[in-house]
Amino acid sequence: SQQGEEDPQALSIQEGENATMNCSYKTSINNLQWYRQNSGRGLVHLILIRSNEREKHSGRLRVTLDTSKKSSSLLITASRAADTASYFCATDEEAGTALIFGKGTTLSVSS
Amino acid sequence: EAGVAQSPRYKIIEKRQSVAFWCNPISGHATLYWYQQILGQGPKLLIQFQNNGVVDDSQLPKDRFSAERLKGVDSTLKIQPAKLEDSAVYLCASSSYLASYTEAFFGQGTRLTVV
Repeated sequence: SQQGEEDPQALSIQEGENATMNCSYKTSINNLQWYRQNSGRGLVHLILIRSNEREKHSGRLRVTLDTSKKSSSLLITASRAADTASYFCATDEEAGTALIFGKGTTLSVSS
Repeated sequence: EAGVAQSPRYKIIEKRQSVAFWCNPISGHATLYWYQQILGQGPKLLIQFQNNGVVDDSQLPKDRFSAERLKGVDSTLKIQPAKLEDSAVYLCASSSYLASYTEAFFGQGTRLTVV
């Protein structure tokens, strides 16, 4: 089963703009992660936020987590054409369990 | 460090035929996963191995899908007989058991088309 929903399903922006995508999940979690998938490729880990954290930064990425609302957001600042990809949130209920993925947001960044 | 290797990259078969996919995880990763990703959706877990034992296969359609992990390293996923709705990308991933969280490293996947 899928954990939850990403919102929006698709997002189109210009280079230099910021992109924000949201994720909701259903069960209690150990961690929440964001993955990127370029067309025709496997998924690549971007960033992890633990259930006791509220915000995390990594380069141009900013992730927030609100466990009371069971939601997370991923912000990509100053987007580039190379950021064009699908982005998925994934959660694990406890260490050692498999990741459960959302349905993803498809981001298109045009130059 | 070599990544997760999968083969073949693409496969086209007719319905009711059988097909097998192969995965070689990152060296030293005790945990191996097979996910099914239907076009436009997120990956859905089919089976999780810890070494050569099955941890979770609750979403594996066992009437047609089978998987094994030989000697706790390579793994094969088989579909027999295939149905049209099995058309998807099959992703293999591995992770380190020692990590306090699950960071999965994915292969490039096998795109299966059933006609």
